[in-house]
Formats: sequence, C-alpha cells, structure tokens
Amino acid sequence: AQRVTQPEKLLSVFKGAPVELKCNYSYSGSPELFWYVQYSRQRLQLLLRHISRESIKGFTADLNKGETSFHLKKPFAQEEDSAMYYCALSGQSKRSQGNLIFGKGTKLSVKP
Amino acid sequence: DAGITQSPRHKVTETGTPVTLRCHQTENHRYMYWYRQDPGHGLRLIHYSYGVKDTDKGEVSDGYSVSRSKTEDFLLTLESATSSQTSVYFCAIRGNTDTQYFGPGTRLTVL
Repeated sequence: AQRVTQPEKLLSVFKGAPVELKCNYSYSGSPELFWYVQYSRQRLQLLLRHISRESIKGFTADLNKGETSFHLKKPFAQEEDSAMYYCALSGQSKRSQGNLIFGKGTKLSVKP
Repeated sequence: DAGITQSPRHKVTETGTPVTLRCHQTENHRYMYWYRQDPGHGLRLIHYSYGVKDTDKGEVSDGYSVSRSKTEDFLLTLESATSSQTSVYFCAIRGNTDTQYFGPGTRLTVL
C-alpha cells in the first residue's frame, strides 16, 4: 500500500539552527513526492516538488530511493519558517493517478 | 492562489442538517479534489473529479456526496451533518504540471 510517514508531530529548533523534517514513503515504482507548507490558518502552498529539484526559501529535499525517504532540510532556520509541513506522494495506480497521499504533518516551531 | 475560491469560509450548523460547500476555479482545470484536514490525521481525500459529471470516491467518502455540473464548480454535500464531520475542508485543483493547488479552506462546525 502507498503510505507517507512523518514521524515527528512537532519539531522545535532555535533560530539559526539546521532543520530536518523527516518523510518516509512506501511505494512500488518511481514516486512523485511533494512538500507542502501551511502557515497559521492559511491554505496549503507547494514548497517543493522532487522532480523540479529547486530550492525554495532555502529548503531542499533529496529523494533517497534506497531509504525511501524525502527529508526536507534547511541549514539555518528562521522564525518565519514556523508552520505545518506536509509530505505528499502522488498515487500512480490507474484509478488514483495524480491523487495525493499526505503524511500527518510536522509542526515546525522556530524559537528566537 | 491559482484562482481557487471556497464558500462559505466558515459555517456552524446543527447535527442532521444538510450542508453544501462550494469550490470555484477560474483556471479551467480538469481535476478537482475535496480534502478534510483534522489534527493528527493530516489531509484525507474525500472525493475527486476528473471532469464534468465524472467523480470518484477517496479515502473517507462515507457521509459525503459531490457534484460537478460545470468545469469551474465542484460541490461537496453533507446530506445529514454529524459532529464527526466538524473539520476544515480544502478544495484543490491539479495544474498542468500535475501539482495540486489548494483553496483557502472552509471551517465547518457541527453542533
């Protein structure tokens, strides 16, 4: 079964510290993975898509097929990074192609 | 914001009453989705649509129905609301690059 696991409900760091938000997935085949961010009471926004290999707001994520992971990293956290972060996997069965399977999310809190 | 709006943005209703939430897009995209967001559960897919009058169930479809009579509107109906349907509901569209873009959400409280 396709599944996304975000093991940490809450991650608290100090400003300027490195951040790593973990995401593991189970999927057979070539996965398509995303990170979405949701600031307080706002809509979800796309942060990263693995296929584009971009760096957005200083965040990067590398797909590791061997470890089935897509961890989100930032070398120096800022207070404005405080938000809810969701990892998502695009379903690839014929019926669900393009549907997203979300992890339960990790709340990042960056302290001054 | 990918031209996605939701209405109403907030609603309080009583158990047993019908409720319809509306998602409207201006981008003419084929795929539209309804999710619910609950603490500890993340986002879960309720129903989705892959064209006018073409819909399918998601992970948590019980108690919900949808309709799509035109490309720009995707309606989610709770035929008889229950307290377990208190949630934040998000609509999304799938863009040309297969990325999903989300609406602002509807906060529904069922008393």
